[in-house]
Amino acid sequence: DSGVTQTPKHLITATGQRVTLRCSPRSGDLSVYWYQQSLDQGLQFLIQYYNGEERAKGNILERFSAQQFPDLHSELNLSSLELGDSALYFCASSVDGTGDYEQYFGPGTRLTVT
Amino acid sequence: KNQVEQSPQSLIILEGKNCTLQCNYTVSPFSNLRWYKQDTGRGPVSLTIMTFSENTKSNGRYTATLDADTKQSSLHITASQLSDSASYICVVSRRGEKLTFGTGTRLTIIP
Repeated sequence: DSGVTQTPKHLITATGQRVTLRCSPRSGDLSVYWYQQSLDQGLQFLIQYYNGEERAKGNILERFSAQQFPDLHSELNLSSLELGDSALYFCASSVDGTGDYEQYFGPGTRLTVT
Repeated sequence: KNQVEQSPQSLIILEGKNCTLQCNYTVSPFSNLRWYKQDTGRGPVSLTIMTFSENTKSNGRYTATLDADTKQSSLHITASQLSDSASYICVVSRRGEKLTFGTGTRLTIIP
């Protein structure tokens, strides 16, 4: 158990809909990262937050947005969903935002868009 | 362009045998290199993290090596077990920047 929690575990929704994925980092970690992993693909970095502020952006679509709240939990919002958005979404946390420290991954949320 | 390439793409070996996975990277300037194990449908779990000055690091039956001059790393698995079946991902970090992930090596251990 990494100490990072993600909810829900599974999500099935229709095209055009909007969903919110939630992540709680390990106790003491200030940075949260979001990744997307499509079937048989590598991990794609989406976005990073550090202590409530956006720190880095990766291959995140404009239909996707995220935020980190004062209690450090984070939410990833996916809107106008398309079939191609079906994937595993992972959240990871680390103690700081430099990339020098270990990232601990959550169990993931499996999103299926039908 | 900063890239991380892993080989082989997939590997099948008999239980009890050893194997070595390779990682070549072009990320520069280099901060650290990590190896993760990812079971199917689960989050990656860190095996090792090495900085520029470290040549080798072990974690049980897993031993990672790093040659920062040639920008190569390897992950050696000794006396493989069925539970080693997973994807192994090499990840390289530039200081203060997002990580660059390799696409992984899918390892299958057969009894």
